[in-house]
Amino acid sequence: AQSVSQHNHHVILSEAASLELGCNYSYGGTVNLFWYVQYPGQHLQLLLKYFSGDPLVKGIKGFEAEFIKSKFSFNLRKPSVQWSDTAEYFCAVLSSNTGKLIFGQGTTLQVKP
Amino acid sequence: EAQVTQNPRYLITVTGKKLTVTCSQNMNHEYMSWYRQDPGLGLRQIYYSMNVEVTDKGDVPEGYKVSRKEKRNFPLILESPSPNQTSLYFCASSLSRQSLAKNIQYFGAGTRLSVL
Repeated sequence: AQSVSQHNHHVILSEAASLELGCNYSYGGTVNLFWYVQYPGQHLQLLLKYFSGDPLVKGIKGFEAEFIKSKFSFNLRKPSVQWSDTAEYFCAVLSSNTGKLIFGQGTTLQVKP
Repeated sequence: EAQVTQNPRYLITVTGKKLTVTCSQNMNHEYMSWYRQDPGLGLRQIYYSMNVEVTDKGDVPEGYKVSRKEKRNFPLILESPSPNQTSLYFCASSLSRQSLAKNIQYFGAGTRLSVL
């Protein structure tokens, strides 16, 4: 069955610390991978996506993610977090047959000023 | 401005009282979808629609109905809401199924529903 697993449920960091959020997926077809962010009280916004090509993907607000096919992983990184990065982060894989985005459980990031 | 609009944003109701959450998009998208978001479970798809008059079940369709009479609208209907349907609901749309892999899904702002 298709699934996405995010290992960290709640992460607390100080400003300027580096961030890495883990994401592993289980999907047999061509993978299209996403990271979404949800700021408190707001809707989901796309951070970055991977469809093909360079496995290191750069997104908005200084985020990047690396697709490692052999590890079925798509971890999100940011070298130096800011207080404004406090949010919930979701990894997702797209099922191209149904258009269903299969989401991970989400990781809540809290950045202390 | 391209957007997906959901109404209402917040709703408190009682068990068994039928309700409808509307969703409208102004991007001429063919594909629309409903998700519910619950703590620790991420987002799960309820129903989706490839085009007008074409709908299909997602992962958690029980207790929900949808319709797609027009391209722009995709209402979510709860005929007899129950407390386990208390959740945060998101509508999403994308250009088409055929090019879905290269198109992004746009999300509405969410509807927070409480069923007492």
